[in-house]
Formats: sequence, structure tokens, C-alpha cells
Amino acid sequence: DAGITQSPRHKVTETGTPVTLRCHQTENHRYMYWYRQDPGHGLRLIHYSYGVKDTDKGEVSDGYSVSRSKTEDFLLTLESATSSQTSVYFCAIGDVSSYNEQFFGPGTRLTVL
Amino acid sequence: GNSVTQMEGPVTLSEEAFLTINCTYTATGYPSLFWYVQYPGEGLQLLLKATKADDKGSNKGFEATYRKETTSFHLEKGSVQVSDSAVYFCAHKAAGNKLTFGGGTRVLVKP
Repeated sequence: DAGITQSPRHKVTETGTPVTLRCHQTENHRYMYWYRQDPGHGLRLIHYSYGVKDTDKGEVSDGYSVSRSKTEDFLLTLESATSSQTSVYFCAIGDVSSYNEQFFGPGTRLTVL
Repeated sequence: GNSVTQMEGPVTLSEEAFLTINCTYTATGYPSLFWYVQYPGEGLQLLLKATKADDKGSNKGFEATYRKETTSFHLEKGSVQVSDSAVYFCAHKAAGNKLTFGGGTRVLVKP
């Protein structure tokens, strides 16, 4: 299994509070991704990174920001959480050399009350 | 634009039955195609992949063939087991290094 961890694994928070989710890899992969998984929508890309300090938006980036100051860490921040951001969040890593196969972390279940 | 469409579930089968999950895609060029599986409470794992037309990906008794003419990548297994109960996602990599996923198909195999 690829070395990807996510923290926290579960979080309950209130509307309007800031939340940061962390993804940590030990594989030295160049690309890192944040997805959200919701019933009926499959996985949707929020943001991704193609190197340290290099990030770009995915299809559902509104309300989210990311940072990558080290190869191994990719942070997802909800500046002011809303109930619509209640979801399961997955981090993934990948490299060009593997035909863009992505390896997924175990997920973080976030509930915004 | 780029999209992946797969059959909606849930699909309920008896053990040893034949499983097919349909997947079609739209993309420019010739994307790499993937099937991922998600077991309850876990993240996604790559099940199989195909990188060019007519390639057949296979793993754990599952197979899928890259059909360029029908833009499809249907997943099949000849004899399912209870342990195959999971959610299956079809995906493609078209432009850039991003994957586009289908909505997922939940499969439930009963003893």
C-alpha cells in the first residue's frame, strides 16, 4: 500500500469555523489531490498540486484553499465551514511515470453542523 | 467536455453470478482508463487499468477491455464472491494529470 495518511479521520465542527485537513505521504510523489465524495456524485476534484507551492483548482474549489510547503504534505482548508461541505474527503497521490494511476488515502469524514 | 458515465446501482447478485458494470466515457484523444474499488470504510484502490485501445486490464478475476470504437470500458467478473461487495468506480485520465470519475456503482453479493 502507498504510504498516505490523512488526519483527522473524523471531525465534527460548526458552521462558520475554519477547518484544516492534512494529507501526508511517504512516497515522494509529485502530484497530490484532494477529492470529496458525496452520494450520487462519485468523487469530485477540489484542488490538486503538481509540486511544492504549485497548486491548481479542480471542479469544486469554491470555499476551499490548499497549501503545499513540503513534498510530503498537502493541506486542505475550509476557511468558514458550511453544511454543504459535510462530506468524506480523500487525498490521493500520483506520478506521471505510472500512467497517472492515483493512490488514495483512507479518507476523512467531516460533518458540519 | 470530459466525462465518465457508469450504470447506477445498487446491483444485487447471488454468489457465483456473472457481474457486468457498464462504463462509457467522453474525452479528446485516447485517455488511460481505470477501474477503482472501494470497500466499506476504506479509500479507493486501483483494480485494473488499460492505457491504449484494445488493451485488456485484469486483476482478481475482473476484466475490462478498452473499446475505442464504442468509448467503453465495461467491467466483468465471471463468478462473484461475497467479498466482492463494494463500490466500483470507472475513471479516465484525459488532459493533464487529473482523473475524471464516474458516479460509482454499489455491488452487493449475497451468499
